[in-house]
Amino acid sequence: AQKVTQAQTEISVVEKEDVTLDCVYETRDTTYYLFWYKQPPSGELVFLIRRNSFDEQNEISGRYSWNFQKSTSSFNFTITASQVVDSAVYFCALSGNTPLVFGKGTRLSVIA
Amino acid sequence: EPEVTQTPSHQVTQMGQEVILRCVPISNHLYFYWYRQILGQKVEFLVSFYNNEISEKSEIFDDQFSVERPDGSNFTLKIRSTKLEDSAMYFCASDTGTGHQPQHFGDGTRLSIL
Repeated sequence: AQKVTQAQTEISVVEKEDVTLDCVYETRDTTYYLFWYKQPPSGELVFLIRRNSFDEQNEISGRYSWNFQKSTSSFNFTITASQVVDSAVYFCALSGNTPLVFGKGTRLSVIA
Repeated sequence: EPEVTQTPSHQVTQMGQEVILRCVPISNHLYFYWYRQILGQKVEFLVSFYNNEISEKSEIFDDQFSVERPDGSNFTLKIRSTKLEDSAMYFCASDTGTGHQPQHFGDGTRLSIL
């Protein structure tokens, strides 16, 4: 069975701090995809990144970076120099031979 | 950039009534999905649809639920006799079909059952 664990339920940081959101997954599929989505207070799901299981290169996009480590089944997400607009619930998700399985989400609050 | 659009944004319905949630997937996408998010909880898969039939469904998607692609653009989710516990945000998603990898979600329909 596929499973995604986001152990951090809520994180609160002061603006400009760096913050890392953890994601650990379980799957028996050899080919799978990992995702991060952002859900701001308005409720929509905003796609941030998709990474396939064969690509362990870390990725940076502006203030966002992702660290994929197959050896520890983790796909962590770091926001550098956080801003108030980063306040949202962040979901990690996994897709193999089944539709998307989401973690429970981490609520990030960035305080000015 | 093309978007998945959902209507209405908020639907209030009496318990026991039928409700239809509508979605317009991205035009060149082949796979369509419905997900549900009960307030404060995680997003859960309901059903996937391909080539005019259900390709996969979860245990949540019981006989009260049905999906349809009535024309070339719309994709609907019908709940036949709503219950209080159907209150949730319902997200539609679509994908090009390279595996089950929906990346494009609509803004959701918040369904409130009274």
